[in-house]
Amino acid sequence: QLQLQESGPGLVKPSETLSLTCTVSGDSISGSSYYWGWIRQPPGKGLEWIGSNDYSGSTYYNPSLKSRVTMSVDTSKNQFSLKLKSVTAADTAMYHCVRQAPGGYVGYWGQGTLVTVSS
Amino acid sequence: DIQMTQSPSSLSASVGDRVTITCRAGQSISTYLNWYQQKPGKAPKLLIYTASSLQSGVPSRFVGSGSGTDFTLTITSLQPEDFATYYCQQTYGTPSGTFGQGTRLEIK
Repeated sequence: QLQLQESGPGLVKPSETLSLTCTVSGDSISGSSYYWGWIRQPPGKGLEWIGSNDYSGSTYYNPSLKSRVTMSVDTSKNQFSLKLKSVTAADTAMYHCVRQAPGGYVGYWGQGTLVTVSS
Repeated sequence: DIQMTQSPSSLSASVGDRVTITCRAGQSISTYLNWYQQKPGKAPKLLIYTASSLQSGVPSRFVGSGSGTDFTLTITSLQPEDFATYYCQQTYGTPSGTFGQGTRLEIK
C-alpha cells in the first residue's frame, strides 16, 4: 500500500526558506512512470499545484512560484523534497506531497503538514 | 495558466437528490479533467479522471462527462457521506494542473 508522509518545520519566519521532505513507502520513486509532487492549500481556501518531479529528476514548477521553488529527488532514501524561499504569510498552508499518474491526476496524497509563516 | 471556473461555488441539496457541478476551462483541454472530493480535515480524494473514468472504489453514482472546455460532475442520488467540497482540476499540461475554486455541497 503506497504511503506518503510529509515532514518538516511547522513554523517558518517571513523571508526564510520553507523546507519539506516526503518519504515514500510502498513504491519506488526511481524507475517509476509517475510524477512526485507538491500541492498546497491555504486555510479555508482552494488547492494550488506547486510542482512535480518525474522519476529522472526533471522538475516542473507552477509559473507563479517558479522563481522561489526548488524540488529534488533522493532515490537512495526514496524521498523527494520541496524548498520555497522568501516566504511570506501568503505561503501559510497545508502542504501535501502527492503521486501523480502519467495523466497528471493525483491518485495518492500525503495527509499533509501545516506550515505557518510567522515571526 | 489555464483558468478553471467551477459553478456553483456552493449548493444545498437533500439526500436522494441529483446534483450537477460544472467546470469550465479557459481553453480546450480535451478530456484532461479530474474531479476530487474533500472532507474537512482530510486530503482530497480522486473521484473521476480524464473527464469520465471512475477511480477504483468510487461509487457509480458519481458520473463525469464533458470534453473541450465544459465538464460536469453529476451525483445521481446524494448520500449522506457525499456532503463535502468538490474540486475540478485540469492536467492538460501534465504534470502541471490548475484547480477550480471548489464547490461546497451542503445538506439542505
